[in-house]
Amino acid sequence: QLQESGPGLVKPSETLSLTCTISGGSISSFYWTWIRQAPGKGLEWIGYIHYSGITDYNPSLESRVTILLDSSKSQFSLKLRSLTAADTAIYYCARTFYYDSGAYWDAFDPWGQGTRVTVSS
Amino acid sequence: QSVLTQPPSASGTPGQSVTISCSGSISNIGTNYVYWYQQLPGTAPKLLIYRNYQRPSGVPDRFSAFKSGTSASLAISGLRSEDEADYHCATWDNSLRWVFGGGTKLTVL
Repeated sequence: QLQESGPGLVKPSETLSLTCTISGGSISSFYWTWIRQAPGKGLEWIGYIHYSGITDYNPSLESRVTILLDSSKSQFSLKLRSLTAADTAIYYCARTFYYDSGAYWDAFDPWGQGTRVTVSS
Repeated sequence: QSVLTQPPSASGTPGQSVTISCSGSISNIGTNYVYWYQQLPGTAPKLLIYRNYQRPSGVPDRFSAFKSGTSASLAISGLRSEDEADYHCATWDNSLRWVFGGGTKLTVL
């Protein structure tokens, strides 16, 4: 199970910090992911972190995003800097896996319930 | 503007069949698996179809999916009121990483 937590309201130009708590399963081997959904829009992949520390980010957000993993707490976090109103969205955490043998990614499953973030002064 | 193209809406009456399309390119759908997610109103997306056409346990066989070339489709037969939801397609893009469609809102009339 995954559970997001963080502030519901943040000011423009500030940094958003969200945490996803992982329960009931192993952290290793998986890629821990952040995905967001702006009001009335589709889903947007933000980035992921692997247990090994490997990260990858959406090219459109890469300059403002950092994802960290704290395996001792079974948590991973998202930091998104220089916020604007366009960052207003529901933020989801999710898990995926990469199959080296077949060189393919597996589905995002499970997902957290999501946390709503509004960027406004 | 989403990398994958889905119709914004679809509709059908109970018992009917409906198909939702997802169009991409050689760098995404053309070379990688497609995944479909169902998002019921006010909830998080849930995995509906994985690796092009496979159903997770618990997903009714009324849901099926197909991929051909750079396009994929989700078909729902025997439409029920509880199928009213947003449906999202997703895949890996060899340049852009994970990409999604804009989502299709399915209305059961």
